[in-house]
Amino acid sequence: AQSVTQPDIHITVSEGASLELRCNYSYGATPYLFWYVQSPGQGLQLLLKYFSGDTLVQGIKGFEAEFKRSQSSFNLRKPSVHWSDAAEYFCAVGPFANSGNTPLVFGKGTRLSVIA
Amino acid sequence: DAGVIQSPRHEVTEMGQEVTLRCKPISGHNSLFWYRQTMMRGLELLIYFNNNVPIDDSGMPEDRFSAKMPNASFSTLKIQPSEPRDSAVYFCASRNPGRGGMTLHFGNGTRLTVT
Repeated sequence: AQSVTQPDIHITVSEGASLELRCNYSYGATPYLFWYVQSPGQGLQLLLKYFSGDTLVQGIKGFEAEFKRSQSSFNLRKPSVHWSDAAEYFCAVGPFANSGNTPLVFGKGTRLSVIA
Repeated sequence: DAGVIQSPRHEVTEMGQEVTLRCKPISGHNSLFWYRQTMMRGLELLIYFNNNVPIDDSGMPEDRFSAKMPNASFSTLKIQPSEPRDSAVYFCASRNPGRGGMTLHFGNGTRLTVT
């Protein structure tokens, strides 16, 4: 069965520092890959997604992620973190289009704290 | 695009009472998902519908939980009777695989507190 691992439960970075959040997945082949962000009291908002093509994808709010097939990873990065980036971040894996309309599988999330 | 709309935003109820959570998916989306989020277990899929038909309810924790989707624009999640361990944030999400791919669009959730 497919699974998603986010090994870091909580990360603290200084404002202006770079950020990398890790995500590893277990899947039979190349899946659809997503990063969502959840601010306190809010639902999950899509940051970016990878379906095919260029393995470096750009998202909203200055985030990017790189798909590495050999490492089964889809790590999220941002070169300079802002205080407003403090939130919970979720990596998710989805099926091939021809595998049916099955649900996404979510990691347990990484909580990002930003300090001055 | 109004997004996925959930109501109520907050619900506080006493143990044993019936609770009904509501969701209006994005117009044109034919798949709807109910998730539950807790600190201990994270985000759990409870049930999902395709074209108003329940496809997989294996995530529904007990028979106390039930969900319906009477039409393409409305779904309910009911807990009867409610228990304190049901306290969580419940999210509804929708998508249309034929348009926009597999991206899920989430509502802002209903925070349920059972005392």
